[in-house]
Amino acid sequence: AQKVTQAQTEISVVEKEDVTLDCVYETRDTTYYLFWYKQPPSGELVFLIRRNSFDEQNEISGRYSWNFQKSTSSFNFTITASQVVDSAVYFCALSETTSGTYKYIFGTGTRLKVLA
Amino acid sequence: DVKVTQSSRYLVKRTGEKVFLECVQDMDHENMFWYRQDPGLGLRLIYFSYDVKMKEKGDIPEGYSVSREKKERFSLILESASTNQTSMYLCASNPGVLNTEAFFGQGTRLTVV
Repeated sequence: AQKVTQAQTEISVVEKEDVTLDCVYETRDTTYYLFWYKQPPSGELVFLIRRNSFDEQNEISGRYSWNFQKSTSSFNFTITASQVVDSAVYFCALSETTSGTYKYIFGTGTRLKVLA
Repeated sequence: DVKVTQSSRYLVKRTGEKVFLECVQDMDHENMFWYRQDPGLGLRLIYFSYDVKMKEKGDIPEGYSVSREKKERFSLILESASTNQTSMYLCASNPGVLNTEAFFGQGTRLTVV
């Protein structure tokens, strides 16, 4: 069965520290997509990144970077020089296809607290 | 800008009431989803719809039903609300053609008393 595991329930860091959020997934599909979302206190999930299973290049976007390793079934997210505005719940997700419809399987989320 | 709008941010209902949660998207998306979010459990799929009047059960459909009479609108119905349905409900949509990300509404926090 498809599954996404975010083992870190909550992480607290001091501003300007680097922090890595872990995501491990399970799937039998050879083609799949992985996602990261941010949920600030306002509640709406904000899309951060999508990565397909054939593209293992790491990606960097400003202070955010993602490390995708198929060998370990991991898709980890690093925030460099964290800021208070990064405080949120972060979700990793995996897409699966049922009847041609793409659905998403979410991890349980990691709450990040960045302290000033 | 892409927009998914849920009709209420907060709702308080009594046990046994019939509850309607409404979601509208303005992106002409084929697929729409209802998720429930609970602490420690992440987002769990209740129902999804891949076309008007078409629906499929997700992982936790018991106690819920859905309606999609128009492409832009997807309603979640709690036939007889119970206290264990107190939760955050999130609606989402995606185009359905490509494996793209989902777009989420702001969420409805429902309390059943």
